[in-house]
Amino acid sequence: AQSVSQHNHHVILSEAASLELGCNYSYGGTVNLFWYVQYPGQHLQLLLKYFSGDPLVKGIKGFEAEFIKSKFSFNLRKPSVQWSDTAEYFCAVNAGYGNKLVFGAGTILRVKS
Amino acid sequence: DGGITQSPKYLFRKEGQNVTLSCEQNLNHDAMYWYRQDPGQGLRLIYYSQIVNDFQKGDIAEGYSVSREKKESFPLTVTSAQKNPTAFYLCASMEMAGGPDTQYFGPGTRLTVL
Repeated sequence: AQSVSQHNHHVILSEAASLELGCNYSYGGTVNLFWYVQYPGQHLQLLLKYFSGDPLVKGIKGFEAEFIKSKFSFNLRKPSVQWSDTAEYFCAVNAGYGNKLVFGAGTILRVKS
Repeated sequence: DGGITQSPKYLFRKEGQNVTLSCEQNLNHDAMYWYRQDPGQGLRLIYYSQIVNDFQKGDIAEGYSVSREKKESFPLTVTSAQKNPTAFYLCASMEMAGGPDTQYFGPGTRLTVL
């Protein structure tokens, strides 16, 4: 069965610090990869996605992620976080029939102002 | 205003009762999904439907049932057989034409069993 592993459940950073959230998945075939974000009290929304092409993808609010096929990884990065980035971040993989998403456990990011 | 609506936002249920959560979308999406979110576990797929009058079980379908009588609606019933129903339930939809795409999520329903 496919699985998605997010390395850290809680991350605390100060404003302007750099962010990298790890995501690894287990599936040997073609995958579509996503990062979703859930701000406090808001809908789960798409941050960025990778389907094909350039493995470095850019998303909203200055986030980017790099797909490294050999490492089965899709890590999320942001050079300088803001207080408003406080949220829970989910990595997800779409692979196989039905376009079902398999989610990681989530990483709760708290940015101190 | 296009989107996915879920109602109610909060729902309280007594043990032994069935309860139905509503999910409606006006995005004209073919596929709809129900997920359950628990702290520290991410989202887990309950049921999904790619076409009207057809649906498939996800990873944790036991104790749940769904119907897909209309393209825009995908209600989820949490039955008394679900052993631990207190959770946050999210509905999503996705366009199927042209291959895999992005799932868009509703605001969720928080169910508490008293």
